[in-house]
Amino acid sequence: NAGVTQTPKFRILKIGQSMTLQCTQDMNHNYMYWYRQDPGMGLKLIYYSVGAGITDKGEVPNGYNVSRSTTEDFPLRLELAAPSQTSVYFCATMRQGRDYGYTFGSGTRLTVV
Amino acid sequence: QKEVEQDPGPLSVPEGAIVSLNCTYSNSAFQYFMWYRQYSRKGPELLMYTYSSGNKEDGRFTAQVDKSSKYISLFIRDSQPSDSATYLCAMSAEAAGNKLTFGGGTRVLVKP
Repeated sequence: NAGVTQTPKFRILKIGQSMTLQCTQDMNHNYMYWYRQDPGMGLKLIYYSVGAGITDKGEVPNGYNVSRSTTEDFPLRLELAAPSQTSVYFCATMRQGRDYGYTFGSGTRLTVV
Repeated sequence: QKEVEQDPGPLSVPEGAIVSLNCTYSNSAFQYFMWYRQYSRKGPELLMYTYSSGNKEDGRFTAQVDKSSKYISLFIRDSQPSDSATYLCAMSAEAAGNKLTFGGGTRVLVKP
């Protein structure tokens, strides 16, 4: 049971390049989230999804796009990378009910130069 | 004003001391209150969650929620050097898609 898997773990991008951060979960959770964490700061929500085919913006969506074609996968797309997008990106899922809680992936550390 | 406020620390305590962490918030719709521990270069790890007001205890950890004051706390008893980490409070509301709103995190250092 892998939980939440994020790839890649590290990436260096040049300004203006694009990339996709991958997130896959094997827990069959409907709710999935993308957060970014800047140094010494808490996490800020970029996008989230309440199920396959449904996505919505979070607090800081500009410069990002997402899709959710399956329950398992929730990729985050960066178009035209900017230095302000240098951050650590975390994907998370949420389980409802008695075992309410969130499971985070190990993160993708992105540097834009 | 941020929706969730948390003292950034750092908080330095000797081994065996009680660590006291807290957060204040402004959104009265929050229902779930969580504490996460985050080690350097790792993802957040859920420590405890509480639904609505009240206390919850799990081993050396005690979480308290006072919704009337919009104030939550985490206490760590008999602190160990392995408790050195950043502690993040987070809150959510079902009506808002269960999106987590985080505090900025408090760095804790437990000295042997």
